[in-house]
Amino acid sequence: KQEVTQIPAALSVPEGENLVLNCSFTDSAIYNLQWFRQDPGKGLTSLLLIQSSQREQTSGRLNASLDKSSGRSTLYIAASQPGDSATYLCAVSFGDQGAQKLVFGQGTRLTINP
Amino acid sequence: NAGVTQTPKFQVLKTGQSMTLQCAQDMNHNSMYWYRQDPGMGLRLIYYSASEGTTDKGEVPNGYNVSRLNKREFSLRLESAAPSQTSVYFCAIKRGLTGDNEQFFGPGTRLTVL
Repeated sequence: KQEVTQIPAALSVPEGENLVLNCSFTDSAIYNLQWFRQDPGKGLTSLLLIQSSQREQTSGRLNASLDKSSGRSTLYIAASQPGDSATYLCAVSFGDQGAQKLVFGQGTRLTINP
Repeated sequence: NAGVTQTPKFQVLKTGQSMTLQCAQDMNHNSMYWYRQDPGMGLRLIYYSASEGTTDKGEVPNGYNVSRLNKREFSLRLESAAPSQTSVYFCAIKRGLTGDNEQFFGPGTRLTVL
């Protein structure tokens, strides 16, 4: 069974720090990997999509990397702000399940302290 | 939430009652999805529809039925609700079959089955 794991489950850091969130997956044959943000009681907001042929994607203070051979992705957040506090979810579209389906990790709950 | 609407936002049912969750999109995307989100379980795919007139089972389809009424709308029906179906339900959309498209999520429906 394809699995996606995010460690740690929760992370608390002071404002201004750079931080890295981790995502690992069980099979290197993937279509893409997507990072989402979820605020309490809200839906998911797409942050970044990395295709299997790409090594990284950047959007503002966010940078996501992909290493298929090791089954890992990282989400780097620069100069963290209290508004970055949310749960961050990683989701993978595995090759043997078609490009339609996403398998989600359980998320990392991030708290940025002022 | 990227043009995805869900109704209702909240619902309380008694065991055995039926209801339909509605999802509509205004982005003209082909693919639509239903997920459920439970504490400790992450998001799991219930059903999806790659195009109008087609539906396929996801990871946890038991106890649910779906209907892709037209390109805009994808409904999820609980015929006889059970307490195990207490969850937050999310609808998502995706432009096409290939791996270079993001999934966009609606705001969710919080369902409690007593």
